[in-house]
This record gives sequence, structure tokens and C-alpha cells, in this order.
Amino acid sequence: AQTVTQSQPEMSVQEAETVTLSCTYDTSESDYYLFWYKQPPSRQMILVIRQEAYKQQNATENRFSVNFQKAAKSFSLKISDSQLGDAAMYFCAHNTNAGKSTFGDGTTLTVKP
Amino acid sequence: GAVVSQHPSWVICKSGTSVKIECRSLDFQATTMFWYRQFPKQSLMLMATSNEGSKATYEQGVEKDKFLINHASLTLSTLTVTSAHPEDSSFYICSARAERQNTEAFFGQGTRLTVV
Repeated sequence: AQTVTQSQPEMSVQEAETVTLSCTYDTSESDYYLFWYKQPPSRQMILVIRQEAYKQQNATENRFSVNFQKAAKSFSLKISDSQLGDAAMYFCAHNTNAGKSTFGDGTTLTVKP
Repeated sequence: GAVVSQHPSWVICKSGTSVKIECRSLDFQATTMFWYRQFPKQSLMLMATSNEGSKATYEQGVEKDKFLINHASLTLSTLTVTSAHPEDSSFYICSARAERQNTEAFFGQGTRLTVV
């Protein structure tokens, strides 16, 4: 079974600053995928970034990057140059090869102008 | 990216009635679809996994007779909440995965169900 832990229920950041959201996981899979999703008030799940576990290089998507530490089972999300539109709930997720997702409890990010 | 459409986006029904929620993959064939339930400010909890042409696999604690899932085609899965009660009020989200896509599943917009 897989578990995903997000230890920060809430985080806040000043506009244009950088914030890091934490995520740790436990898995019995040897091959898996990790994701960060953003859920704004509309509640539509939006994929922010993905990481294949077999890749050592950290994934980057514009202002979003991850710090993937496979041995430590850690997968944190860094948001640079935070914008007001980044305010949302962020979920870390583990996917098995079958596509089954396990989500963390989420982190609510507030961006202060 | 692939598009998954969920309908309706919100529904209000009377206690004791049944409600059907549809999840469609619009531009790909979804061999597997997942149904989640989400309470306010909480995480997504997987209810069941459905594979086209076979019975759904329910997670522990989910009543399969109450939450009927049908995945009759490669582009459509339905979740029917039978004899709904106020405690079934929640946000329901589906996601769909293509056969050759083993990295991620694509999410529908979700359905807010209110049982009065």
C-alpha cells in the first residue's frame, strides 16, 4: 500500500517570493510516478508537475520545480516568483503503474499581495 | 492534454432518490476510470476503480450496492448514488487513464451532490 504525507496544512507566501511545499511518501512499488496537483476554488484538479521515479533529474515546469529525494522518499514542490493565481490547495500524489493515485491531505497556499 | 468531461457539475436531489453522474473521456479511450469522493478541505478518497467491460473494484468501506459503477464503453463510466441520503452529499470526481498512458490519469471537473 502507498501513503502520502503532507505535513503542512497551510502555508503562506508573499507575492514574488519563493515557497516550498513538503511531501513524503511510502511505497512498495519499484516503479511509480509522483505528481503535484493544484486545486483552486473551482475544485478542478490541475496537474502542476510530474516526476518519474526512475529519473534522477528533478522535474521543472517554468516557476515550479521539485526536489525529489528517492532514498528519503521525499518530493517537495518549490514555487518561485509566487503569483496571486498560485493560491490554491496543493496535493501531492503517488501513482502506481496501473494509474491508481494516492493523495496527501493537501496544503492550502495563500499568496499575500 | 486529454480531456475528461464530468456531468452534471452540480446536482440537488431529494433523500431516497438516485442520482447518476457521468464521466466521459472526450479525445482518448479510457480503459480505466477512477471515482473519488472529496469532503470540503479534505483529500480525495478513492472509492472505486472501473475497467471497461468488467466489474468495478471498490475500496474498503465503500458500499458497492449504494454506489453503482458502470463502465460500458471505453469513453464512458457512470456512478449512480442509489437511495441517496444527506450524508452522501459530497464532491465526486472521476479520472480516466488511457491504455497506453501509464503516467497519469486525467480529471473531470467534479460533481457537487447535495441531498436534501
